[in-house]
Amino acid sequence: GDSVTQTEGQVALSEEDFLTIHCNYSASGYPTLFWYVQYPGEGPQLLFRASRDKEKGSSRGFEATYDKGTTSFHLRKASVQESDSAVYYCALSDQGTGNYKYVFGAGTRLKVIA
Amino acid sequence: EAAVTQSPRSKVAVTGGKVTLSCHQTNNHDYMYWYRQDTGHGLRLIHYSYVADSTEKGDIPDGYKASRPSQENFSLILELASLSQTAVYFCASRTANTLYFGAGTRLSVL
Repeated sequence: GDSVTQTEGQVALSEEDFLTIHCNYSASGYPTLFWYVQYPGEGPQLLFRASRDKEKGSSRGFEATYDKGTTSFHLRKASVQESDSAVYYCALSDQGTGNYKYVFGAGTRLKVIA
Repeated sequence: EAAVTQSPRSKVAVTGGKVTLSCHQTNNHDYMYWYRQDTGHGLRLIHYSYVADSTEKGDIPDGYKASRPSQENFSLILELASLSQTAVYFCASRTANTLYFGAGTRLSVL
């Protein structure tokens, strides 16, 4: 079945550091890729999505580019702030096959120290 | 703004007891989902539904039942709660290929 792998379980950075969270996927079709963010005490919320190869998604200074060749959708931010501390989930949905399931990675907990 | 409300927000249950988690959405969305969140596993799909009176199994349905009596309501039922079902449970509804999550229910089975 479809799957999403996030390499980093936890990341600790100082403010203004550069962030990279790696996400690789495996899917039989042509999935839409997502990044969701979860703040303490809340449910996950959509950060952004990308639906086709080379498409860049972005929001709030975060960005990721859909790479079909390397099956990746890595999350990056040039300068993190303490308020970015949260759990980040990479996810996919392959609805072209009529499957309306969403598959999530294990999540990456980001802690930014002021 | 999409609204998904879960109740209760936290619950302590005894092993072997019955637990019902409730979810209500005011979004008029067709699809609703139940996910389980565990450290190291992320969010895993238990059950989902795309229409009232019909539910589908997700990736980890064993030990769980779901009920969708109306478009607005979607319940998750643990008939015989077990220690391994201690987790945070999230309900979500879907529109325009976006999931809208509730705030979660923290379930502890003792």
